[in-house]
Amino acid sequence: RKEVEQDPGPFNVPEGATVAFNCTYSNSASQSFFWYRQDCRKEPKLLMSVYSSGNEDGRFTAQLNRASQYISLLIRDSKLSDSATYLCVVNEGGGNKLTFGTGTQLKVEL
Amino acid sequence: SQTIHQWPATLVQPVGSPLSLECTVEGTSNPNLYWYRQAAGRGLQLLFYSIGIDQISSEVPQNLSASRPQDRQFILSSKKLLLSDSGFYLCAWRPSGSLDEQFFGPGTRLTVL
Repeated sequence: RKEVEQDPGPFNVPEGATVAFNCTYSNSASQSFFWYRQDCRKEPKLLMSVYSSGNEDGRFTAQLNRASQYISLLIRDSKLSDSATYLCVVNEGGGNKLTFGTGTQLKVEL
Repeated sequence: SQTIHQWPATLVQPVGSPLSLECTVEGTSNPNLYWYRQAAGRGLQLLFYSIGIDQISSEVPQNLSASRPQDRQFILSSKKLLLSDSGFYLCAWRPSGSLDEQFFGPGTRLTVL
């Protein structure tokens, strides 16, 4: 089983739609969680950190379910500019190592 | 504000040639530094990390090495490249302290032929 697992997609949604991605992690001792956004052939950029049960930033909401070991990302009112790959990232032991999922591709269409 | 630089942006090298990729961070001191590789269709793989000058931890045994000769400089090297070394190499930094977030440089796209 992969340490961090994501549906690769692509998720094709119309502009204005709400879309949600899930990510599961295998290590129950994981301490902190992140969503990064990666555009094609670019570096990942931090989108949100998730330290407690969840947090919200504008159109983006991240939720953490420790009992079921999954993290979700909800994007409301999708924009064309939201098209990217979204990486789920887990800090398993509170140290230096972040474990990255392979990403979920989102395509927002007119 | 802090910025992170990597060069070169792209590189095409023959099998068996040496490699040197450089990463520098500005606007911070004593950062934790990281080298990752992203192969096509795969997640980011941590290669090395460093908590200080000349302090390097290797995550994956391979023909790559890393060095940190100065506080804000991190170098990835190889004496002889393999075809399997092709990929997108990303340097990242993290402020020393309790935050876990890492911030990435623009990356070097390496093709070994």
